Amino acid sequence: DTAVSQTPKYLVTQMGNDKSIKCEQNLGHDTMYWYKQDSKKFLKIMFSYNNKELIINETVPNRFSPKSPDKAHLNLHINSLELGDSAVYFCASSQVQPNEKLFFGSGTQLSVL
Amino acid sequence: AQTVTQSQPEMSVQEAETVTLSCTYDTSESDYYLFWYKQPPSRQMILVIRQEAYKQQNATENRFSVNFQKAAKSFSLKISDSQLGDAAMYFCAYRFRNTGNQFYFGTGTSLTVIP
Repeated sequence: DTAVSQTPKYLVTQMGNDKSIKCEQNLGHDTMYWYKQDSKKFLKIMFSYNNKELIINETVPNRFSPKSPDKAHLNLHINSLELGDSAVYFCASSQVQPNEKLFFGSGTQLSVL
Repeated sequence: AQTVTQSQPEMSVQEAETVTLSCTYDTSESDYYLFWYKQPPSRQMILVIRQEAYKQQNATENRFSVNFQKAAKSFSLKISDSQLGDAAMYFCAYRFRNTGNQFYFGTGTSLTVIP
């Protein structure tokens, strides 16, 4: 079983569209994250949820909205997609106590045309 | 501000040789964990090695070892007997032990392994 699974793996869409990326973890972790990796491979934290509560919300356009229906799921919805949103988006999870490493999903490559 | 610096954007190593990737970080905390992650072309992020800051002994995982210098805030990764499969982006990261929700990542080092 995949520990952190995100879908879809690839997403190609037109500017202005709305899209969602889903993420699920079966590790029982209490914290989930969304990271954005740009074309230079920089990893930037976007959001973090702990037990369904938003705890990290970096400077991200409000077109990006995370949703955590339960602590095993953290979805990312993006409105009015722009060219600059093209990137790889990683979902990840971790357990704060006992202190755990970060488990990553396989990433979603988003291409906005 | 919490920062992680990887001063080598690109490195190369001959197959079977040894290479060291550097990482320095800046934090006023004293208790934290350090990580090296590998990202091959498949883009999957894979944990290579992990070090607890309160442990003086350097972590080792097979061909991978670290040189952890806490006072200097340095955490370099040594890859011995480099293999073609080691070619990847390598990211250094840390998180605090007690308030550890946030992971801080470096900008990465792209490692090429020359046959």
